[in-house]
Amino acid sequence: DVKVTQSSRYLVKRTGEKVFLECVQDMDHENMFWYRQDPGLGLRLIYFSYDVKMKEKGDIPEGYSVSREKKERFSLILESASTNQTSMYLCASRQAGVMETQYFGPGTRLLVL
Amino acid sequence: GNSVTQMEGPVTLSEEAFLTINCTYTATGYPSLFWYVQYPGEGLQLLLKATKADDKGSNKGFEATYRKETTSFHLEKGSVQVSDSAVYFCALRSTGGGNKLTFGTGTQLKVEL
Repeated sequence: DVKVTQSSRYLVKRTGEKVFLECVQDMDHENMFWYRQDPGLGLRLIYFSYDVKMKEKGDIPEGYSVSREKKERFSLILESASTNQTSMYLCASRQAGVMETQYFGPGTRLLVL
Repeated sequence: GNSVTQMEGPVTLSEEAFLTINCTYTATGYPSLFWYVQYPGEGLQLLLKATKADDKGSNKGFEATYRKETTSFHLEKGSVQVSDSAVYFCALRSTGGGNKLTFGTGTQLKVEL
C-alpha cells in the first residue's frame, strides 16, 4: 500500500525559530514535492526534487529551503519562521513519468506565533 | 503559463442530488487532467484522471470528460452522499509546465441529509 508520511500533524512555533518538516515515502519514488495550502489559494508548489540531492524551486520558494539526502526523505526547512508562514503543508511523491499518479501525505498544520 | 479555474464554494446539496463542479484550464502543450479529493483532516487523494481529449475519467460514481474544445473538465456525480462531503481540486499536468501539477483553488462540497 502506498504511503507518504509527515512527521507532525500539528506544529506550533514562534517567530524566528528554525522549523523542520519531514516527509518520508516508502514507494521508492524519484520525485517529491512540498506544497502549502491556504484558503482561497489552493495548493502552491514550494520546492520539488527529481532525485537525491537535486532540488528545484517551485512557485513560492521564498523563506524556505529543502534537503534530500536520501531517496525516501524530503525535508522542508523554514530558516526563520514568520507569521505569514502559518499554513497547511502537504508533501507528495510520484514515480518519474508523465502519466504517474502523485500521492500525498496527510499534511502538517503549522501555526507560527 | 498554466492555470486552473474552479467554481467557488461552498456547494451545499441534499443527499441524492446531482453534482456538477466546473473546471476550466489554460495550458501549454497537451495536458493531463485530474480531480483530487481531500476529506476532512486528510491529504489529497486522486479521484480520477484523463490524459487526452474526449477521455472520460470515472471513479466512485464520479465522472469527468476531457473537453479540449471548451478547455474544461467538469466533475459530475448523479447522486451524492453525505460521505462525499470534502474539498475537490481540479489539476493539470503539462509537459510545457515541467511535468508539475497546477491546482485550482478547490471547491468545498457539503452534502446534507
